[in-house]
Amino acid sequence: RKEVEQDPGPFNVPEGATVAFNCTYSNSASQSFFWYRQDCRKEPKLLMSVYSSGNEDGRFTAQLNRASQYISLLIRDSKLSDSATYLCVVSAAGFNAGNNRKLIWGLGTSLAVNP
Amino acid sequence: NAGVTQTPKFQVLKTGQSMTLQCAQDMNHNSMYWYRQDPGMGLRLIYYSASEGTTDKGEVPNGYNVSRLNKREFSLRLESAAPSQTSVYFCASSSGLPGAQFFGPGTRLTVL
Repeated sequence: RKEVEQDPGPFNVPEGATVAFNCTYSNSASQSFFWYRQDCRKEPKLLMSVYSSGNEDGRFTAQLNRASQYISLLIRDSKLSDSATYLCVVSAAGFNAGNNRKLIWGLGTSLAVNP
Repeated sequence: NAGVTQTPKFQVLKTGQSMTLQCAQDMNHNSMYWYRQDPGMGLRLIYYSASEGTTDKGEVPNGYNVSRLNKREFSLRLESAAPSQTSVYFCASSSGLPGAQFFGPGTRLTVL
């Protein structure tokens, strides 16, 4: 099993739709989780951290399920500008606040929002 | 405030040639990183620097060297390029906030 697994998609949704992605991780000791977005041929950008209690940032909601070892990202009211690849990032052993090198990156889920 | 800048944006090398990828950040971050991104492999850390004057190997350091010239600049050198080093290279920096890394626009390198 890969350390971090994502459905590559693509997810094709119409504008205004709600879409959700899951990401599973294999290391039960992982403590920190993040979602990044990467536009085509661009650099990754931090979208949001994922907290144990779940967190929301505008139209985006992130959830963590430790028992089943997955995190999710929900996007409501999709916009054309949401079209991108969403990368799941999970901390590895030795990760701490000052040690961002201990991160495991998923391959990403591709989202296309259509007019 | 340019964030993280990288040069060059594109490069084609022949096997055995050498080159240095340049990276600079103007956010006063302590930590800097070099990644490569390949289809089907995700982002993989090559080297990182926790602070000026220190560097450490990441997941895939073979064939690369780095220099943390000062707090702003972190360069990646390929001494003898191989086709397996064809990739997109990203430099990143972080202030220490967990998981928060700021990436440069990337260098697309092809080794023939």
